[in-house]
Amino acid sequence: DVQLVQSGAEVKKPGESLKISCKASGYRLTSYWIGWVRQLPGKGLEWMGMIHPGDSDTRYSPSFQGQVTISHDKSTSTAYLQWRSLRAPDTAMYYCARFCSSGTCNGAFDVWGQGTMVTVSS
Amino acid sequence: QSVLTQPPSASGTPGQRVAISCSGSSSNIGTNVVFWYQQLPGTAPKLLISRNNQRPSGVPDRFSGSKSGSSASLAISGLRSEDEADYYCAVWDDSLSNWVFGGGTTLTVL
Repeated sequence: DVQLVQSGAEVKKPGESLKISCKASGYRLTSYWIGWVRQLPGKGLEWMGMIHPGDSDTRYSPSFQGQVTISHDKSTSTAYLQWRSLRAPDTAMYYCARFCSSGTCNGAFDVWGQGTMVTVSS
Repeated sequence: QSVLTQPPSASGTPGQRVAISCSGSSSNIGTNVVFWYQQLPGTAPKLLISRNNQRPSGVPDRFSGSKSGSSASLAISGLRSEDEADYYCAVWDDSLSNWVFGGGTTLTVL
């Protein structure tokens, strides 16, 4: 089964750093882009950026450029989303999703992780 | 507010047909293919419609998508209680160089 399994919920204080993970299984991580999507409490979906683990090509939404870092570890088939200094408005659910780039799903985020809830509060 | 405009809510009774609209512009829907995602309460989004009107394996044929000009539409026929969810349209925006999502439509089955 193709799966993306994300790390567990986090509670952090403002100014702290954080790295959450997304482990892929059931397919070759290096063959597909992995994207990250934010969902603020009670709100809609926002694309943050994506990485191609095959060549480390990384794209960011202008809204998130410089605010987060997307990375990956080929050896563990894991993608990461990282903050250097969290703020209260970063409180949200974060989803990773596989980006399909061929066939009838070309252009879709076709497999999603279960989400990681990040709470930033003093 | 979102680049793509969806009605915040929609409703219908079991067995009815409902349609959810998604309005964009020439830089997104007018040029690129549209995707629809379903988010059941408390769960991750799921791909529902791909490339305007393609149903991924496992998606019932009660769900259909269409696109005309700078607008797209998701139709659900034979409405069922398990269809209660939030529905999002999504498309690449050439001007913003960004994937953009609609604000989402909450579907209630009365």
